[in-house]
Amino acid sequence: GAVVSQHPSWVICKSGTSVKIECRSLDFQATTMFWYRQFPKQSLMLMATSNEGSKATYEQGVEKDKFLINHASLTLSTLTVTSAHPEDSSFYICSARTGSDYGYTFGSGTRLTVV
Amino acid sequence: GENVEQHPSTLSVQEGDSAVIKCTYSDSASNYFPWYKQELGKRPQLIIDIRSNVGEKKDQRIAVTLNKTAKHFSLHITETQPEDSAVYFCAGDTGTASKLTFGTGTRLQVTL
Repeated sequence: GAVVSQHPSWVICKSGTSVKIECRSLDFQATTMFWYRQFPKQSLMLMATSNEGSKATYEQGVEKDKFLINHASLTLSTLTVTSAHPEDSSFYICSARTGSDYGYTFGSGTRLTVV
Repeated sequence: GENVEQHPSTLSVQEGDSAVIKCTYSDSASNYFPWYKQELGKRPQLIIDIRSNVGEKKDQRIAVTLNKTAKHFSLHITETQPEDSAVYFCAGDTGTASKLTFGTGTRLQVTL
């Protein structure tokens, strides 16, 4: 089946630094990639939707200059958390549509801890 | 935009009993409703889904019902087992917006 590979699975960074998270679709072309954030014991909240070759669409309240999304190819989308702060510590997970008949494939998630 | 509400937030059942989780949605254009099981630190795992042209779908011990008029859908797990313990999320997809909106989650605990 469709697989989305997400890396890193966990990362610890110092406050003020930037962290890049990658999601690759391994056996299909991901025209659209969704990026979610999940705080402990909470639901998945959509941060942004990225389409290959165009600017990402951010959900209300999500700072586009802080969470940079790049979707330069049909198999790779990246999320960069810039100037990370402890409050950005969370579980970040990507998801791609696998075809026209719905179906979403999730990456394995990235646990970000900012110290 | 779409708003999906889910309840209960926690549910404890004895092994062998049934569990029911309910969700309501706001956007009448929603036409795809998946249910996910998520274990701690893991990705959501699709367990069953239903499309708006169907009222009920069953897969072994798991079933989902959909009432489009009332805009609610439910997950039914029968003969629960300890390995069913996890957090369950419902979600809705309007198709036109092409994005999933998740419910708030239900923590299911199956006790021996």
